[in-house]
Amino acid sequence: AQKVTQAQTEISVVEKEDVTLDCVYETRDTTYYLFWYKQPPSGELVFLIRRNSFDEQNEISGRYSWNFQKSTSSFNFTITASQVVDSAVYFCALSEAQAGTALIFGKGTTLSVSS
Amino acid sequence: GAVVSQHPSWVICKSGTSVKIECRSLDFQATTMFWYRQFPKQSLMLMATSNEGSKATYEQGVEKDKFLINHASLTLSTLTVTSAHPEDSSFYICSFDSVSYEQYFGPGTRLTVT
Repeated sequence: AQKVTQAQTEISVVEKEDVTLDCVYETRDTTYYLFWYKQPPSGELVFLIRRNSFDEQNEISGRYSWNFQKSTSSFNFTITASQVVDSAVYFCALSEAQAGTALIFGKGTTLSVSS
Repeated sequence: GAVVSQHPSWVICKSGTSVKIECRSLDFQATTMFWYRQFPKQSLMLMATSNEGSKATYEQGVEKDKFLINHASLTLSTLTVTSAHPEDSSFYICSFDSVSYEQYFGPGTRLTVT
Protein backbone atom coordinates (compact mmCIF):
# COMPACT_ATOMS: atom_id res chain seq x y z
CA ALA A 1 0.00 0.00 0.00
CA GLN A 2 1.11 3.53 -0.63
CA LYS A 3 1.68 5.91 2.24
CA VAL A 4 3.16 9.34 2.83
CA THR A 5 4.42 10.37 6.24
CA GLN A 6 5.11 13.91 7.28
CA ALA A 7 6.26 13.50 10.85
CA GLN A 8 6.48 17.21 11.59
CA THR A 9 3.04 18.51 12.42
CA GLU A 10 4.04 22.09 13.09
CA ILE A 11 7.24 24.06 12.68
CA SER A 12 7.88 27.61 13.85
CA VAL A 13 10.84 29.63 12.68
CA VAL A 14 11.92 33.22 12.64
CA GLU A 15 12.32 35.03 9.36
CA LYS A 16 15.56 34.35 7.48
CA GLU A 17 16.03 30.97 9.10
CA ASP A 18 16.33 27.93 6.87
CA VAL A 19 13.77 25.21 7.41
CA THR A 20 13.46 21.65 6.13
CA LEU A 21 10.18 19.81 5.85
CA ASP A 22 10.50 16.06 5.92
CA CYS A 23 8.59 13.59 3.78
CA VAL A 24 8.94 9.81 3.83
CA TYR A 25 6.94 7.62 1.49
CA GLU A 26 6.11 3.97 0.99
CA THR A 27 5.26 2.33 -2.30
CA ARG A 28 5.78 -0.96 -4.06
CA ASP A 29 5.75 0.68 -7.45
CA THR A 30 9.03 1.08 -9.27
CA THR A 31 7.74 4.12 -11.09
CA TYR A 32 5.91 6.84 -9.26
CA TYR A 33 5.64 10.58 -8.82
CA LEU A 34 6.24 12.71 -5.77
CA PHE A 35 4.79 16.15 -5.24
CA TRP A 36 4.90 19.08 -2.88
CA TYR A 37 2.00 21.49 -2.51
CA LYS A 38 1.59 24.64 -0.48
CA GLN A 39 -1.80 25.47 1.03
CA PRO A 40 -2.08 29.03 2.29
CA PRO A 41 -4.97 30.08 4.56
CA SER A 42 -7.16 30.67 1.50
CA GLY A 43 -7.19 26.90 1.01
CA GLU A 44 -6.20 26.80 -2.62
CA LEU A 45 -3.43 24.29 -3.30
CA VAL A 46 -0.33 25.74 -4.89
CA PHE A 47 1.74 23.27 -6.89
CA LEU A 48 5.45 23.44 -6.04
CA ILE A 49 7.13 20.47 -7.65
CA ARG A 50 6.64 17.06 -9.21
CA ARG A 51 9.46 14.55 -9.26
CA ASN A 52 9.64 11.32 -11.25
CA SER A 53 11.04 8.35 -9.34
CA PHE A 54 13.72 7.88 -11.98
CA ASP A 55 15.05 11.37 -11.50
CA GLU A 56 17.02 11.58 -8.29
CA GLN A 57 18.64 14.88 -9.05
CA ASN A 58 18.08 17.47 -6.43
CA GLU A 59 16.28 20.57 -7.59
CA ILE A 60 16.55 24.20 -6.65
CA SER A 61 14.05 26.89 -7.47
CA GLY A 62 14.87 30.21 -5.92
CA ARG A 63 14.72 29.80 -2.15
CA TYR A 64 13.20 26.33 -2.49
CA SER A 65 15.16 23.13 -2.84
CA TRP A 66 14.24 19.47 -2.79
CA ASN A 67 16.31 16.47 -1.80
CA PHE A 68 15.07 13.19 -3.23
CA GLN A 69 16.72 10.05 -1.84
CA LYS A 70 15.33 6.78 -3.07
CA SER A 71 17.55 4.80 -0.69
CA THR A 72 15.71 6.25 2.29
CA SER A 73 12.38 6.84 0.51
CA SER A 74 12.52 10.49 1.38
CA PHE A 75 11.68 13.65 -0.51
CA ASN A 76 12.54 16.56 1.76
CA PHE A 77 11.83 20.19 1.08
CA THR A 78 14.02 23.06 2.26
CA ILE A 79 13.15 26.73 2.32
CA THR A 80 16.18 28.97 2.57
CA ALA A 81 15.94 32.35 4.26
CA SER A 82 12.31 31.86 5.16
CA GLN A 83 9.84 34.72 4.89
CA VAL A 84 6.53 35.43 6.56
CA VAL A 85 4.77 34.72 3.27
CA ASP A 86 6.02 31.16 3.46
CA SER A 87 3.64 30.53 6.35
CA ALA A 88 1.26 27.83 5.17
CA VAL A 89 0.51 24.14 5.33
CA TYR A 90 2.79 22.08 3.11
CA PHE A 91 1.73 18.71 1.77
CA CYS A 92 3.87 15.99 0.31
CA ALA A 93 2.03 13.61 -2.02
CA LEU A 94 2.62 10.44 -3.99
CA SER A 95 0.98 8.92 -7.03
CA GLU A 96 1.46 5.98 -9.32
CA ALA A 97 3.01 6.83 -12.65
CA GLN A 98 -0.18 5.96 -14.40
CA ALA A 99 -2.83 8.21 -15.80
CA GLY A 100 -6.03 8.28 -13.86
CA THR A 101 -4.58 7.70 -10.41
CA ALA A 102 -5.22 10.00 -7.50
CA LEU A 103 -2.67 11.56 -5.22
CA ILE A 104 -2.06 10.22 -1.75
CA PHE A 105 -1.30 13.07 0.59
CA GLY A 106 0.68 13.20 3.79
CA LYS A 107 -0.93 14.85 6.80
CA GLY A 108 0.83 18.10 6.12
CA THR A 109 3.24 20.30 8.01
CA THR A 110 2.12 23.70 9.23
CA LEU A 111 4.93 26.19 8.88
CA SER A 112 4.76 29.44 10.79
CA VAL A 113 7.33 32.09 10.02
CA SER A 114 7.43 35.06 12.35
CA SER A 115 9.08 38.40 11.75
CA GLY B 1 -0.64 25.55 -15.80
CA ALA B 2 -4.21 24.63 -16.45
CA VAL B 3 -7.05 26.52 -14.84
CA VAL B 4 -9.79 24.82 -12.85
CA SER B 5 -12.69 26.67 -11.32
CA GLN B 6 -15.09 25.64 -8.59
CA HIS B 7 -18.42 27.17 -7.83
CA PRO B 8 -19.44 28.20 -5.30
CA SER B 9 -16.27 29.00 -3.38
CA TRP B 10 -18.19 28.82 -0.15
CA VAL B 11 -21.71 27.87 0.81
CA ILE B 12 -23.77 27.73 3.97
CA CYS B 13 -26.81 25.52 3.98
CA LYS B 14 -29.31 24.18 6.46
CA SER B 15 -29.26 20.62 7.64
CA GLY B 16 -31.31 18.38 5.40
CA THR B 17 -30.89 20.39 2.22
CA SER B 18 -28.80 19.47 -0.81
CA VAL B 19 -25.87 21.39 -2.21
CA LYS B 20 -24.32 21.15 -5.65
CA ILE B 21 -20.69 22.01 -6.28
CA GLU B 22 -19.43 22.56 -9.81
CA CYS B 23 -15.92 21.89 -10.99
CA ARG B 24 -14.93 23.12 -14.41
CA SER B 25 -11.68 23.03 -16.35
CA LEU B 26 -11.32 26.17 -18.38
CA ASP B 27 -8.60 25.36 -20.84
CA PHE B 28 -8.23 21.63 -21.23
CA GLN B 29 -10.21 18.41 -21.35
CA ALA B 30 -9.74 15.46 -19.04
CA THR B 31 -11.27 12.03 -18.96
CA THR B 32 -10.61 11.46 -15.28
CA MET B 33 -11.23 13.68 -12.36
CA PHE B 34 -11.17 13.38 -8.59
CA TRP B 35 -13.03 14.77 -5.62
CA TYR B 36 -11.20 15.23 -2.34
CA ARG B 37 -12.45 16.28 1.06
CA GLN B 38 -10.45 18.09 3.69
CA PHE B 39 -11.67 18.49 7.27
CA PRO B 40 -10.21 21.34 9.35
CA LYS B 41 -6.53 20.88 10.11
CA GLN B 42 -6.46 17.56 8.30
CA SER B 43 -5.13 16.28 5.03
CA LEU B 44 -6.91 15.83 1.74
CA MET B 45 -8.69 12.53 1.46
CA LEU B 46 -9.87 11.11 -1.83
CA MET B 47 -13.63 10.68 -1.97
CA ALA B 48 -14.17 9.40 -5.47
CA THR B 49 -12.77 9.03 -8.94
CA SER B 50 -14.90 9.61 -11.97
CA ASN B 51 -14.45 9.09 -15.66
CA GLU B 52 -16.49 11.01 -18.17
CA GLY B 53 -19.57 9.07 -19.11
CA SER B 54 -19.12 6.42 -16.41
CA LYS B 55 -20.27 5.98 -12.85
CA ALA B 56 -17.92 7.26 -10.20
CA THR B 57 -15.81 4.95 -8.06
CA TYR B 58 -16.09 5.81 -4.40
CA GLU B 59 -13.50 5.26 -1.71
CA GLN B 60 -14.31 3.07 1.24
CA GLY B 61 -16.46 4.86 3.75
CA VAL B 62 -17.85 7.41 1.30
CA GLU B 63 -21.58 7.02 0.73
CA LYS B 64 -22.33 7.07 -2.98
CA ASP B 65 -25.99 7.88 -2.40
CA LYS B 66 -25.08 10.87 -0.32
CA PHE B 67 -22.34 12.28 -2.52
CA LEU B 68 -23.63 12.22 -6.07
CA ILE B 69 -21.05 12.79 -8.74
CA ASN B 70 -21.94 13.63 -12.30
CA HIS B 71 -19.08 13.82 -14.75
CA ALA B 72 -21.14 15.40 -17.47
CA SER B 73 -18.38 16.25 -19.92
CA LEU B 74 -14.64 16.40 -20.32
CA THR B 75 -14.63 19.84 -18.72
CA LEU B 76 -17.35 19.66 -16.10
CA SER B 77 -18.04 17.59 -13.01
CA THR B 78 -20.50 18.18 -10.22
CA LEU B 79 -20.67 16.92 -6.67
CA THR B 80 -24.04 17.03 -4.96
CA VAL B 81 -24.16 16.60 -1.21
CA THR B 82 -27.64 15.31 -0.54
CA SER B 83 -29.44 15.78 2.77
CA ALA B 84 -26.43 17.55 4.19
CA HIS B 85 -25.66 17.33 7.89
CA PRO B 86 -23.24 19.32 10.06
CA GLU B 87 -20.69 16.49 9.86
CA ASP B 88 -20.53 17.07 6.09
CA SER B 89 -19.10 20.52 6.71
CA SER B 90 -15.74 20.42 5.02
CA PHE B 91 -13.53 21.80 2.27
CA TYR B 92 -14.22 20.03 -1.02
CA ILE B 93 -11.57 20.12 -3.74
CA CYS B 94 -11.78 18.75 -7.25
CA SER B 95 -8.94 17.94 -9.58
CA PHE B 96 -8.61 17.02 -13.21
CA ASP B 97 -6.10 14.47 -14.36
CA SER B 98 -3.94 15.36 -17.33
CA VAL B 99 -2.16 13.02 -19.69
CA SER B 100 1.16 14.29 -18.39
CA TYR B 101 0.50 12.79 -14.94
CA GLU B 102 -0.21 16.16 -13.45
CA GLN B 103 -3.33 16.95 -11.55
CA TYR B 104 -4.88 20.37 -11.70
CA PHE B 105 -6.74 21.32 -8.57
CA GLY B 106 -9.68 23.62 -8.20
CA PRO B 107 -9.59 26.36 -5.58
CA GLY B 108 -11.95 24.44 -3.31
CA THR B 109 -15.44 24.92 -1.91
CA ARG B 110 -15.98 25.46 1.76
CA LEU B 111 -19.28 23.92 2.86
CA THR B 112 -20.84 24.77 6.21
CA VAL B 113 -23.98 22.95 7.22
CA THR B 114 -25.92 24.55 10.07
